[in-house]
Amino acid sequence: GIQVEQSPPDLILQEGANSTLRCNFSDSVNNLQWFHQNPWGQLINLFYIPSGTKQNGRLSATTVATERYSLLYISSSQTTDSGVYFCAVDNSGYALNFGKGTSLLVTP
Amino acid sequence: EAGVAQSPRYKIIEKRQSVAFWCNPISGHATLYWYQQILGQGPKLLIQFQNNGVVDDSQLPKDRFSAERLKGVDSTLKIQPAKLEDSAVYLCASSFAGEQYFGPGTRLTVT
Repeated sequence: GIQVEQSPPDLILQEGANSTLRCNFSDSVNNLQWFHQNPWGQLINLFYIPSGTKQNGRLSATTVATERYSLLYISSSQTTDSGVYFCAVDNSGYALNFGKGTSLLVTP
Repeated sequence: EAGVAQSPRYKIIEKRQSVAFWCNPISGHATLYWYQQILGQGPKLLIQFQNNGVVDDSQLPKDRFSAERLKGVDSTLKIQPAKLEDSAVYLCASSFAGEQYFGPGTRLTVT
């Protein structure tokens, strides 16, 4: 199946800093989603972005499908941004294949 | 619009006991998924339904896990008998046109 690699695995930021999370995938995709898993375990949809660029407030994402990667940008980070960020892809119309996630801690 | 609902939120059982989880997808979503998330890992698919038919259950341990989606709406996932390694969060998701939405999950602890 399709392989998903996320980097970095762990990230510690001070409040107000910016960061970029990367997702590489091994094949063409029909679907790519970014999620934030909060400390209570809820997976929150951030972006549905199989290609192109989207922005939502302090977050933005870009997927370059031809080069098989996606980037998630977090600007002016806040403590509430802490948690695990997952990239997940699908290339067959079936279930999502998840990466191992990036664990983000934002300190005051 | 209501999200994906799951119950119970937490369950503690002893090994060899049985347990069942319930999921109600977003209204109108034909596709329903059950994922298992072990601590420190990303979710992994157990079973996918399209309406009330199974699309993919290749990763479901069928000797102990079963799932059904009667009438193409609600779904239940059952484990019988449970093993220690089944301790995980069980996530239900639904989709209509590609984008998947997840419920809050059921955290299962097997002692």
